Amino acid sequence: EIVLTQSPGTLSLSPGEGATLSCRASQSLSISDLAWYQQKPGQAPRLVIFAASSRATDIPDRFSGSGSGTDFTLSISRLEPEDFAVYYCQYSENSVVTFGGGTRVEIK
Amino acid sequence: QVMLMQPGPEVKKPGASVRVSCTTSGYTFSSYYIHWVRQAPGQGLEWVGFVDPNRGDSKYARKFQGRLTMTRDASTSTVYMELSGLRFDDTAVYYCARHRSINQFDCWGQGTLVTVSS
Repeated sequence: EIVLTQSPGTLSLSPGEGATLSCRASQSLSISDLAWYQQKPGQAPRLVIFAASSRATDIPDRFSGSGSGTDFTLSISRLEPEDFAVYYCQYSENSVVTFGGGTRVEIK
Repeated sequence: QVMLMQPGPEVKKPGASVRVSCTTSGYTFSSYYIHWVRQAPGQGLEWVGFVDPNRGDSKYARKFQGRLTMTRDASTSTVYMELSGLRFDDTAVYYCARHRSINQFDCWGQGTLVTVSS
């Protein structure tokens, strides 16, 4: 079973700064099956990136995804106040789904 | 627009069962799997399982097998998740989510809080 490890656990940044979130897999993944979600308190998760690097509908271009093999990254180029949230990576193989433990991006 | 609607909170006693519904609209019900994901208070996301609304097939995370049943009613475009033998650590918000062929959960229900309390 694939394990996704996200780091860091918490990222403390100021608005306008850039953020780099890591998702490391226990074995090599298919790029097409890696997604990222944003979750704010009291809300359902929201799709941000699918297929490792494709932005979901209405996601601004300051969000970008990259990576291959076992190492994937979600980057936010200039943090806006609405970007402070928890981010999860997610993988699906043979219809079995795995989530990473999440990275909290908080205001410094 | 695509919507997944879930009911309000439930409170159950240990050992009881809970059935949570997810009523879909705005798309062809049979075309997309519906997955369930739960989130315990202050914790991360945990995959529970899915149902294929077209054939009714389902697959569950190993830890829930024997306690979990997912079904669907095509006449109302609704899927159901029933969890039996509830334990205190089943307390969580249970979300339904639509899954697309290129792995992504593109639409989520608002979540249903299930509290297991004596």
